[in-house]
Amino acid sequence: QKEVEQDPGPLSVPEGAIVSLNCTYSNSAFQYFMWYRQYSRKGPELLMYTYSSGNKEDGRFTAQVDKSSKYISLFIRDSQPSDSATYLCAMIRETSGSRLTFGEGTQLTVNP
Amino acid sequence: DGGITQSPKYLFRKEGQNVTLSCEQNLNHDAMYWYRQDPGQGLRLIYYSQIVNDFQKGDIAEGYSVSREKKESFPLTVTSAQKNPTAFYLCASSIYSGANVLTFGAGSRLTVL
Repeated sequence: QKEVEQDPGPLSVPEGAIVSLNCTYSNSAFQYFMWYRQYSRKGPELLMYTYSSGNKEDGRFTAQVDKSSKYISLFIRDSQPSDSATYLCAMIRETSGSRLTFGEGTQLTVNP
Repeated sequence: DGGITQSPKYLFRKEGQNVTLSCEQNLNHDAMYWYRQDPGQGLRLIYYSQIVNDFQKGDIAEGYSVSREKKESFPLTVTSAQKNPTAFYLCASSIYSGANVLTFGAGSRLTVL
């Protein structure tokens, strides 16, 4: 069983829709949670970074962590065609330095 | 602009050949990493280096080798011992080994013919 589960999609939505992307994890030692965005044939870029439970907002993006349920989410409001990409969740244990554990990524297409 | 440069972007290899992927960073980061990305698998860690002249195996190191002779450079060699080398390879760095945020390069696509 994978430590981090992420629905690979693909997910297709109309422009302006609210998008919800999710990951579940099995190891309660994960403390730091990230979302990376990866455009086709490019490297991932950090989108959101959160520590422990709670919400964090940055413009149209909101990251949510629920440690009791071992569940993290990324919400995209007013989605744009430029948001079309693969979204990867990643997380780190307190003691593992920079060794991230990634989900497999969700492919999102926002249609104009 | 600071960043990570990976080369070549695309590479074709015949079975039985070793190939070396280049990774150079000008971010003055101490730690560097190599990941492999396959459909349905996410990113998996191959090797990482916390300081010059030191590196550790990641989760899937078999069939790969690395060196870290300079802070800026962390080349990855895919050897003929790697059973399924066709993949997208990503190099990353972090400011120090305990930092949680990685900066990635644009990747190298290796195809074995």
